[in-house]
Amino acid sequence: QQQVKQSPQSLIVQKGGIPIINCAYENTAFDYFPWYQQFPGKGPALLIAIRPDVSEKKEGRFTISFNKSAKQFSLHIMDSQPGDSATYFCAASIGNQFYFGTGTSLTVIP
Amino acid sequence: NAGVMQNPRHLVRRRGQEARLRCSPMKGHSHVYWYRQLPEEGLKFMVYLQKENIIDESGMPKERFSAEFPKEGPSILRIQQVVRGDSAAYFCASSQGSGRSGEQYFGPGTRLTVT
Repeated sequence: QQQVKQSPQSLIVQKGGIPIINCAYENTAFDYFPWYQQFPGKGPALLIAIRPDVSEKKEGRFTISFNKSAKQFSLHIMDSQPGDSATYFCAASIGNQFYFGTGTSLTVIP
Repeated sequence: NAGVMQNPRHLVRRRGQEARLRCSPMKGHSHVYWYRQLPEEGLKFMVYLQKENIIDESGMPKERFSAEFPKEGPSILRIQQVVRGDSAAYFCASSQGSGRSGEQYFGPGTRLTVT
């Protein structure tokens, strides 16, 4: 059973566009929601994370929107650049147990 | 401050051989996780360990796979009698393991190819 559902599977946007990646979860006990960025041949790198006591967190061009009642959270990338082309994973955790989404492959066209 | 280290980065094994993958967590981290990633797929949890203890191995295949995190030295993921289907990237991650959910940091992975 997939604890965290991520969509879309792939996404193509023009440079400057705002790609949005969505994740949904069922377990209300999750208390930490990170996003990871992975480039080909590399390990995932922590990008930004949020806890359920806030509805939005922004770091640079990356924003997480969190909707506790809907049990959904999303990643927005403002003014996207070709260098943002990568695979993005959402995750949710309880304590030290982490559950990952299946990933979104983002391509930003120059 | 070194990050999570994994070695080897690439490993080629013939069917039936053993593969040993090593992971050194970040300094100060006592929790280690192993994940498997197949091409075009997400990260699949395999096992979660603390020093000298396996906490959760629900994602580990029942046969041929084992993991340890000894008191001294790196964590080891061991795959015996490898088969072609074991070819994948294996990632290790570590965390501090504080009471609240802590950040998890990944190593660069070991890419296993079984010929």
